[in-house]
Amino acid sequence: GENVEQHPSTLSVQEGDSAVIKCTYSDSASNYFPWYKQELGKRPQLIIDIRSNVGEKKDQRIAVTLNKTAKHFSLHITETQPEDSAVYFCAASGANNLFFGTGTRLTVIP
Amino acid sequence: NAGVTQTPKFQVLKTGQSMTLQCAQDMNHEYMSWYRQDPGMGLRLIHYSVGAGITDQGEVPNGYNVSRSTTEDFPLRLLSAAPSQTSVYFCASSYSYGNLAEAFFGQGTRLTVV
Repeated sequence: GENVEQHPSTLSVQEGDSAVIKCTYSDSASNYFPWYKQELGKRPQLIIDIRSNVGEKKDQRIAVTLNKTAKHFSLHITETQPEDSAVYFCAASGANNLFFGTGTRLTVIP
Repeated sequence: NAGVTQTPKFQVLKTGQSMTLQCAQDMNHEYMSWYRQDPGMGLRLIHYSVGAGITDQGEVPNGYNVSRSTTEDFPLRLLSAAPSQTSVYFCASSYSYGNLAEAFFGQGTRLTVV
């Protein structure tokens, strides 16, 4: 099955700086790559996703890039704010299911 | 729309007890799934269903059963609880079968097995 690796496991940035989280996947047939944000004690919620026919997608301060050849994709958050502090999960579709990375705990220091 | 609703929110079980975690969605989604979330291990797929009457195993199915008698409901049964099943459980649903569709999660069930 699909194997998704996510780095780093923890990330601290100063408010206003950028944050980058990276994921790799193993199944070349995967074609859907969502990112979820989970605040403490809450459910994961989709923040952005990208499909395999697109190399980059932006939504305000959030962007995702995909390199299908290298089988990696990244989440970029610019101008970070304290409310961006949360755990972020990447995922990849494989064998018709979503497989998740192990998560990155992002802390934005005011 | 209520979205995906899970009950209970919290549960403590003794080793060997059985219980059912309930999950219901009102979005007419075909695809439903159960994940468990453990520290440092992300979300791991337990079982999933692509429609009423159809279920299949995910990555970590041992010790769990599911059924899908209606489109709306997808209960998860713990047959004989073990401390290793202490976890947070999330039910999720999406419009289409796995790929290319946002997964909506329930609020989670925090289960402790003592």
